[in-house]
Amino acid sequence: AQSVTQPDIHITVSEGASLELRCNYSYGATPYLFWYVQSPGQGLQLLLKYFSGDTLVQGIKGFEAEFKRSQSSFNLRKPSVHWSDAAEYFCAVAGTDSWGKLQFGAGTQVVVTP
Amino acid sequence: DAGITQSPRYKITETGRQVTLMCHQTWSHSYMFWYRQDLGHGLRLIYYSAAADITDKGEVPDGYVVSRSKTENFPLTLESATRSQTSVYFCASGLAGASNTGELFFGEGSRLTVL
Repeated sequence: AQSVTQPDIHITVSEGASLELRCNYSYGATPYLFWYVQSPGQGLQLLLKYFSGDTLVQGIKGFEAEFKRSQSSFNLRKPSVHWSDAAEYFCAVAGTDSWGKLQFGAGTQVVVTP
Repeated sequence: DAGITQSPRYKITETGRQVTLMCHQTWSHSYMFWYRQDLGHGLRLIYYSAAADITDKGEVPDGYVVSRSKTENFPLTLESATRSQTSVYFCASGLAGASNTGELFFGEGSRLTVL
């Protein structure tokens, strides 16, 4: 069965520092990979996605993620965090034959300190 | 207004009562989904629909019923609410096929408390 693991439940980072959120997946083949962000009281917004091709993908709000097949990972990064990046971040996967049926990780809560 | 809207945003009910959560989208997306969000579980798929009159079960469908008589609406009904169904429910929509970007668009959620 496919699964998504986000090892860090909670991360605190200083404004201006770099951020990396980890995501590992278990799936029979290379799935579609996504990162979503959820601000308090809001729905989820897509940050970026990987379908195929270049393993380094750029997203909105200055985020990027790198797909590493050998490690079954899809880690999210941002070089310099802004206070507005405080939110919960979800990694998700979907099989290439099950479009839209996302399997989500448990999420990582990011707190940004001054 | 364009987008995807859910109602009610907040609902408190009692065990055994029927509750319906509404979802409406204005994009004419073919696919619609219901997820529930619980602490420590992320979001889990309850039901989805590929088109009007086509629905299918997701990961956690027990205790829920859906229908899709019109493309733009996808109501979720809890026929006899239980405390374990206390959760935040998210509706999402997306466009498959040649215009598929893989992106789902989420509503703002409906927080349901079952006493």
